[in-house]
Amino acid sequence: EPEVTQTPSHQVTQMGQEVILRCVPISNHLYFYWYRQILGQKVEFLVSFYNNEISEKSEIFDDQFSVERPDGSNFTLKIRSTKLEDSAMYFCAGSGTENTGELFFGEGSRLTVL
Amino acid sequence: GESVGLHLPTLSVQEGDNSIINCAYSNSASDYFIWYKQESGKGPQFIIDIRSNMDKRQGQRVTVLLNKTVKHLSLQIAATQPGDSAVYFCAENTGANSKLTFGKGITLSVRP
Repeated sequence: EPEVTQTPSHQVTQMGQEVILRCVPISNHLYFYWYRQILGQKVEFLVSFYNNEISEKSEIFDDQFSVERPDGSNFTLKIRSTKLEDSAMYFCAGSGTENTGELFFGEGSRLTVL
Repeated sequence: GESVGLHLPTLSVQEGDNSIINCAYSNSASDYFIWYKQESGKGPQFIIDIRSNMDKRQGQRVTVLLNKTVKHLSLQIAATQPGDSAVYFCAENTGANSKLTFGKGITLSVRP
């Protein structure tokens, strides 16, 4: 069964450092997303991405965040200067159709900011 | 405003029994709801969805019920199995771009 792959599984970084989280979506998906989950809390939408541009972003997704799909395969989330409150599990997801609730999530990348 | 939440934080059921997980939402204009399951250490996994033109939808061992009058959503799991142990989230599609708003999770624990 095809799956969404995320790396790294866990990253520890110092506050102020840049972090790049990587995702390889399912190959025939066209719509991509990043969500995050602070430990023990709700899953929160960050951004949706289609046709090499952001479709929608939440208020969490400020200027410190960026996404790109540089090579048609990897989908990355960059946090330019990490803050303590960025510590969370970051989930990449994809879907084959627009405006669907059926997203395929990866297993997540845990980010710990010290 | 957008608010999707669950009534109870934990639910413990006997293996073989039916489970019912409830969820309330506040936005009467909401028209698309989804249930996700999250096992320990994994990402959310889609279970079933329902649009507001329906009040019931069935899948394999799962049924979702939607009561728009009281803005209530439930997930019923028949013959609950140990593999059903997980955190369950209801979610609402609040945007045109699969912007899902998740509720607080409820932990389902299945007793052998």
